[in-house]
Amino acid sequence: DAGVIQSPRHEVTEMGQEVTLRCKPISGHDYLFWYRQTMMRGLELLIYFNNNVPIDDSGMPEDRFSAKMPNASFSTLKIQPSEPRDSAVYFCASSEGYNTGELFFGEGSRLTVL
Amino acid sequence: QKEVEQNSGPLSVPEGAIASLNCTYSDRGSQSFFWYRQYSGKSPELIMSIYSNGDKEDGRFTAQLNKASQYVSLLIRDSQPSDSATYLCAAKGAGRRALTFGSGTRLQVQP
Repeated sequence: DAGVIQSPRHEVTEMGQEVTLRCKPISGHDYLFWYRQTMMRGLELLIYFNNNVPIDDSGMPEDRFSAKMPNASFSTLKIQPSEPRDSAVYFCASSEGYNTGELFFGEGSRLTVL
Repeated sequence: QKEVEQNSGPLSVPEGAIASLNCTYSDRGSQSFFWYRQYSGKSPELIMSIYSNGDKEDGRFTAQLNKASQYVSLLIRDSQPSDSATYLCAAKGAGRRALTFGSGTRLQVQP
């Protein structure tokens, strides 16, 4: 399997622009997670899905952030409008089942908002 | 207070020594604990999991859990320069909560 695939790997945009990050989980994994990593705050959970249904979105910072999972093989995280404080590495991860604690991470999308 | 606390380091040890990484957590309902390794510019990868009090060994790695003290540790024996990375401690709480990560401890193994 190719692992979790994220795109784009790098994104540089200007404040106020819309940003869409994409993720393809490992086939057969029923959980998908979006995390954000910064030096100041570490790795923070934004939202996670089970069988394409959002389960916990309490980590989504504000209404500017939205996430969807229209099918088992694709998820998006959208920021509109983007702000400089959104600059971070955004990781998508998937797992098979909930209790294993073994998350398989994608390579991340590094977002820079100028 | 963060739910999972780690010393950010860097922790510097000579090659061949034992590296000891520590983590405390605040949620007493946490059921299981994990250590992830993250090389610079890369994504985290799972190296150890531990679910019950005591020690769990896997090769050069030993995870230790003390639920009464809410303390988790990772020992790396015979440290190698290739072990230089950031080590993230993670806890899984009760119910539907996902993994909560600490900020990580950066380990440097000096040749």
